[in-house]
Amino acid sequence: DSGVTQTPKHLITATGQRVTLRCSPRSGDLSVYWYQQSLDQGLQFLIQYYNGEERAKGNILERFSAQQFPDLHSELNLSSLELGDSALYFCASSVDVNSPLHFGNGTRLTVT
Amino acid sequence: GNSVTQMEGPVTLSEEAFLTINCTYTATGYPSLFWYVQYPGEGLQLLLKATKADDKGSNKGFEATYRKETTSFHLEKGSVQVSDSAVYFCALSDTGTASKLTFGTGTRLQVTL
Repeated sequence: DSGVTQTPKHLITATGQRVTLRCSPRSGDLSVYWYQQSLDQGLQFLIQYYNGEERAKGNILERFSAQQFPDLHSELNLSSLELGDSALYFCASSVDVNSPLHFGNGTRLTVT
Repeated sequence: GNSVTQMEGPVTLSEEAFLTINCTYTATGYPSLFWYVQYPGEGLQLLLKATKADDKGSNKGFEATYRKETTSFHLEKGSVQVSDSAVYFCALSDTGTASKLTFGTGTRLQVTL
């Protein structure tokens, strides 16, 4: 158990809808990362937050947004969903930006 | 930009066989290198890492050496077990930080009795 909790585990929704994925980092970790894992794109870095502030951005679509709250949990919001957004979304956390990442078990999103 | 290239899988081995999974990278500066493992239904777990040239990372019988001259970080294990069956990801991070990991495509390892 990595200590990183992601909810829900599975999500099935229709095109055009909006969903929110939630992540609770390991106790004491200040940095949260979001990754998307799909069959055609592999593992792609989306965005990183450190202690509530956005730290780095990767291949995140404009339809996607994220935030980290004062209690350090993070949410990834996906809107105007398309079939191609179907993927496994991982959250990871670390103590600081120089420490190894610890991954949650992911949220599997299926867009129909 | 940064990139990581891994050998394509799946790799199928008998128990106690020798394992090599090739990984090469392209990066500016001096990245840190990692191997992560993903067991079915789980998230990625850090297996080992190396932060500078000639460093050898090791864990659970797995080893990988950071070779700057060949830009490689091949994963090896002398004797695999059925429990090693998983997907293995090679990754690199920008200099001095573990954020923004760039992953390879992953190599699925299947170990049979």
